[in-house]
Amino acid sequence: DIQMTQSPSSLSASVGDRVTVTCRASQSISKFLNWYQQRPGEAPKLLIYAASSLQSGVPSRFSGSGSGTDFTLTISGLRPEDFATYYCQQSHSRPRTFGQGTKVEIK
Amino acid sequence: QVQLQQWGAGLLKPSETLSLTCAVYVGSFRGYDWSWIRQPPGMGLEWIGEINHGGSTNYNPSLKTRLTISVDTSKSQFSLKLSSVTAADTAVYYCARGFLLGTTSGNFYYMDVWGKGTTVTVSS
Repeated sequence: DIQMTQSPSSLSASVGDRVTVTCRASQSISKFLNWYQQRPGEAPKLLIYAASSLQSGVPSRFSGSGSGTDFTLTISGLRPEDFATYYCQQSHSRPRTFGQGTKVEIK
Repeated sequence: QVQLQQWGAGLLKPSETLSLTCAVYVGSFRGYDWSWIRQPPGMGLEWIGEINHGGSTNYNPSLKTRLTISVDTSKSQFSLKLSSVTAADTAVYYCARGFLLGTTSGNFYYMDVWGKGTTVTVSS
């Protein structure tokens, strides 16, 4: 199985901040990497697919980059509704594994 | 807009079989994979397995011996059965639509529509 490791596990930030979350794969996965947002009590929501493609309807303040083993999710200008947990997920091979999550909290 | 509605028993005793169903409303059932994902309390997401409209399945090896995912294309539904449950199977279970985007750079898979989740508790 491909192991996905996110860092940090949690972070505190203020509205308007630029936030970066990192995801590392245990082996090269090219650009087969997705990002999801999960607010408390809700189902995950797709933000980014293929490492850097923005899902339809997702605000442009969200962006993704990376390839191989190292990936980042950036939120440029944090808004109140962005306080949530973010998961990366590899789609290179099955089983389709997720990172452990990064919780973005209000400072 | 595509919606997934899921249902099933929420309270089970150890050794019983977990059974959930997910129905697809408004949208095509063909051309997609249909997945189950679970999330234990306070923890992260675990992919359980998937099925396509033709009935081909892929399972997480960690659950394979207890798992059956099936599809009923006439009803646009797919189902999950997990046998011999224990407390470790307590989780919120989600169904989701998987889409395979073909590009010149590769075939990229992502889950773009999710059900609201069903809480399943295993307790004696």
